[in-house]
Parts: sequence; structure tokens; C-alpha cells
Amino acid sequence: GDSVTQMEGPVTLSEEAFLTINCTYTATGYPSLFWYVQYPGEGLQLLLKATKADDKGSNKGFEATYRKETTSFHLEKGSVQVSDSAVYFCALSGDSNYQLIWGAGTKLIIKP
Amino acid sequence: DAGVTQSPTHLIKTRGQQVTLRCSPKSGHDTVSWYQQALGQGPQFIFQYYEEEERQRGNFPDRFSGHQFPNYSSELNVNALLLGDSALYLCASSFGAGWGTEAFFGQGTRLTVV
Repeated sequence: GDSVTQMEGPVTLSEEAFLTINCTYTATGYPSLFWYVQYPGEGLQLLLKATKADDKGSNKGFEATYRKETTSFHLEKGSVQVSDSAVYFCALSGDSNYQLIWGAGTKLIIKP
Repeated sequence: DAGVTQSPTHLIKTRGQQVTLRCSPKSGHDTVSWYQQALGQGPQFIFQYYEEEERQRGNFPDRFSGHQFPNYSSELNVNALLLGDSALYLCASSFGAGWGTEAFFGQGTRLTVV
């Protein structure tokens, strides 16, 4: 069945560092791909999405490109801030499938 | 515009009891999905309701049941609670019959079974 694998955390970076959180997936057909973020004490928020191969999703300085050839959707940000500290989830929604399938989440800690 | 609202926010129940969780979708949304999120893990899909019918179900036992009302709000019922049912229960709403649409999440109900 469909699945999502993302890098284990926690990931600890200094402010203004470059961020990459890896996400790979297994799915038939052409899934839609998502990154959600969960800030401490808050619910899940959609960060960005991509619905077809080579699409780039972007929001709040974060970017991710849908790479079908490598089945990846890595999250990147050029300069992280302390306020980016949160748990980041990669998820997919497959063809003819209404559910979101989630990775385990990656906790990001940004130190000033 | 209110987002997705869930009630209650926290709940403590005893093994064997039954619980009902409630969700009001974002304005304009007609589809409600429920997820269970154990500590330190990603959410697991329980089921989705659309047009008052269960459209898809995840790998959860029949103790988990739900309902969607004509105003699109939804309830999640869990019978014969087990300690392992302790988790954050998330409701997500979206619009339309298609897949791959953006889901908006509530802040969840933290259920503790003792």
C-alpha cells in the first residue's frame, strides 16, 4: 500500500541555517503531496502542497518539489528562524483514495 | 470565519466506557475526516464522511463509529474503550467529492483512557 517515509528527528539547527527535511513516498499513480506543520500546542496546518510531477509548492519561505523520478518531496528553507520550531509532517493523498497517509513527523528545533 | 472546531479539548475516560467526540467543519466544507494521532507518531486515518455517509474507512475496529449530520458536523464514537485508545483525535474538513483536496484540521481532542 501507499506509504510515506521522512527523516527522523529531532533536527537541531542554529538560526539562519539551511534546512532540508527528507520525504520519500511509495504510491501507485499520481498522488498529491503535502507538508503540514504542527506548532507546539496547536493543530496541524497545511504548509504547502503539490499535485503533479515537477510542481513546486512554496509558503513562508519553505519550498518542496514533487520529484516523481525519485519519489521524493523534500522540504527546504534557506534561512530558518526560531519561530520555525515545530513538528513537520509529510503526507500524500493517492489516486481514488480519500485519506491522507502520513509520515511519522520530524521535530525541528531552532536555536538562537 | 471559524475554522474547524472540536469538542471537548480534553477528556478522561475509564476502560470499557464509551465516548463521543464532536466536530464542526470549516464554513463551506462538506466533508469530514477523523484521524487518531498517538504520541510521537503521524495521524492514522479512521474514516471519512461525505453526504452523511461513511465514504472510506481505515484499519480501525467496529468499536469506532461515526455520524455526519445534515449541517455537515460530525461525531466520532468509540465503544468499549481500551488503554490503547488514548491519543489525540483530529478532525479534518474539506470540500467536495474529489481526492487530493486540502484538508483543514481542528486542534484535536486529547483522550486519556485510565
